[in-house]
This record gives sequence, C-alpha cells and structure tokens, in this order.
Amino acid sequence: DGGITQSPKYLFRKEGQNVTLSCEQNLNHDAMYWYRQDPGQGLRLIYYSQIVNDFQKGDIAEGYSVSREKKESFPLTVTSAQKNPTAFYLCASSISWDRGNEQYFGPGTRLTVT
Amino acid sequence: GNSVTQMEGPVTLSEEAFLTINCTYTATGYPSLFWYVQYPGEGLQLLLKATKADDKGSNKGFEATYRKETTSFHLEKGSVQVSDSAVYFCALSDSGAGSYQLTFGKGTKLSVIP
Repeated sequence: DGGITQSPKYLFRKEGQNVTLSCEQNLNHDAMYWYRQDPGQGLRLIYYSQIVNDFQKGDIAEGYSVSREKKESFPLTVTSAQKNPTAFYLCASSISWDRGNEQYFGPGTRLTVT
Repeated sequence: GNSVTQMEGPVTLSEEAFLTINCTYTATGYPSLFWYVQYPGEGLQLLLKATKADDKGSNKGFEATYRKETTSFHLEKGSVQVSDSAVYFCALSDSGAGSYQLTFGKGTKLSVIP
C-alpha cells in the first residue's frame, strides 16, 4: 500500500535536546511538507520541499531544520532553539508543487518536551 | 494575504441530522478549495476538493460547492452518522502569493450522538 509513514507516534524528550522526526513516503511524490498542529490553531507550515536537495522555510521555521537527500524521505529536526516544541507534527506530500494538487498526510508524531 | 475562516465549534448533532459547516476564504488569485477530515489521534484525510468556481466536490455523502461570488465553500451532509465525529478543516491553495502552499482554517469539531 502506498502512503506516508511517520515514526514514532509518540516521542518524549528533555528540554535542551535536539530530536529528529521521521517521514517517509512511497507515493513517488516530488513535494513534501511539515506542519505543526496546536489545539485550536489549525495547521501551520514549518518547511516544505519541492524537489530533492531543495527546501524552503514556511511560516514558522525558527528552531527547526530539515533535509531532503532522497525523494522518499524528509526528516524534521526540532532543535533546542525551538521555544515551545510540544505539539503534534504532521508530514504531508503531493505529486508536485502545483495548484490543485491535494496533499496526503501521515499519521503524525506527538512530541512532548519536558 | 490568504485566509480561511470556519465556523467555530464544537458542533453537536444527533444521528441523521443535517450538517452544515461554514467556510469562507480570502485569496489573491484563483484558489483551489479543500475539505480535510481528522479523526482522533490521526493525520488529515482529504474529504473533497473543487478547483474552479461552481465546481461541486463530493465524497462519502459530503458535498461542498465553490461559490466565487460569496467566497465560500460550505460543507454539507444530509444525514450524519456517529462515525462522522471528527475535526473538519477547510483549506485553500492559491498561486496569488507566488506559492501554492495550503492555508488552513482552524478546524471545526463535530460530535454526533446516537
């Protein structure tokens, strides 16, 4: 079955530690995205990648970093510089960076930092 | 800039009731419009979409019509079921700002009681 996998589903870290969230897709999609979801705030775009070896900052990129070395993979690192990292993180992909192409979402990773 | 406004929830309905969730948008170009659904603890799933004015998207008994004159994309279902309980997000994709990223509303939580 084609789809997007995110691991782990739940992640716990101590404050001051960097943590990397995994996102893999086997849909052969060119574009991939990372969103952050907080209660009552909808989704906010962190980073996106239109193609391998290229990525752009979204609306709330501060304190996050990404890489896109392979078409299938788009890992997100939450650094210690992110002031409020506890949230639900969603990865998505689309066929291309094009109007009307819907995005497909993974199951999400819930990160808790204490 | 682009924005999406949804009716605030939560919305509680009895089984077999009629559902309407209002969504209005502001866009600089000619957006595509989407409804996504999120079940508890999961990622988002595309429910339906419309890419131009007067298009009607439909899926699983849900419908929404792209109304350019009122900048709206209201979600409707004639008879809801308990299994429809979820959070519903309206979103748009617009090239007017030079990119095609999705802009989401804050979501509307629907609870259907037997």
